[in-house]
Amino acid sequence: EADIYQTPRYLVIGTGKKITLECSQTMGHDKMYWYQQDPGMELHLIHYSYGVNSTEKGDLSSESTVSRIRTEHFPLTLESARPSHTSQYLCATRTGASSYNSPLHFGNGTRLTVT
Amino acid sequence: DAKTTQPTSMDCAEGRAANLPCNHSTISGNEYVYWYRQIHSQGPQYIIHGLKNNETNEMASLIITEDRKSSTLILPHATLRDTAVYYCIVRAYMYSGGGADGLTFGKGTHLIIQP
Repeated sequence: EADIYQTPRYLVIGTGKKITLECSQTMGHDKMYWYQQDPGMELHLIHYSYGVNSTEKGDLSSESTVSRIRTEHFPLTLESARPSHTSQYLCATRTGASSYNSPLHFGNGTRLTVT
Repeated sequence: DAKTTQPTSMDCAEGRAANLPCNHSTISGNEYVYWYRQIHSQGPQYIIHGLKNNETNEMASLIITEDRKSSTLILPHATLRDTAVYYCIVRAYMYSGGGADGLTFGKGTHLIIQP
């Protein structure tokens, strides 16, 4: 079972602020992902990483950026938050070996509200 | 990836078996069927996956038809805590080349367990 920690769990912040959402995992998984989900809607992949110093944009365009300096951390940053960024952000991991047969493991998400 | 079709919502009485259908009529020979669920305000939770044989684990059973065009997730003795949105996803194995290999989540089935 993968242990994935996302902080903060809830965040309310004003427009224009810089924010960083943290995601860390203890399983040493190579692959990490960020999904965005609006209430009652589908999950959309916004970023992913296959290992240290590897980051790519996902299927849904996002103004956020990510970094992967260490295997266990995959933070997501918004340089200037806007109300349109209000959403739930979910971090996930999977082992790099045989990824076709390895499930995604999710954290409990960060619910972001930008006022 | 093949698209999936699921009912929007279903009810099931507590203690009874919950049978959640999924249609994936355009599935390819190398695509796995994955099931996840998402309880309100939490990240998605992996349940089970399979290619063509029926699968069972401690959470559920997965029945895949012989032609692989549909599948059914079975929760043998549903409890109130099984109320959630259930996602059926198909994903190719031996994914190669560029691009994300994160799973694509649709709208899922909202399963409501009635006391």
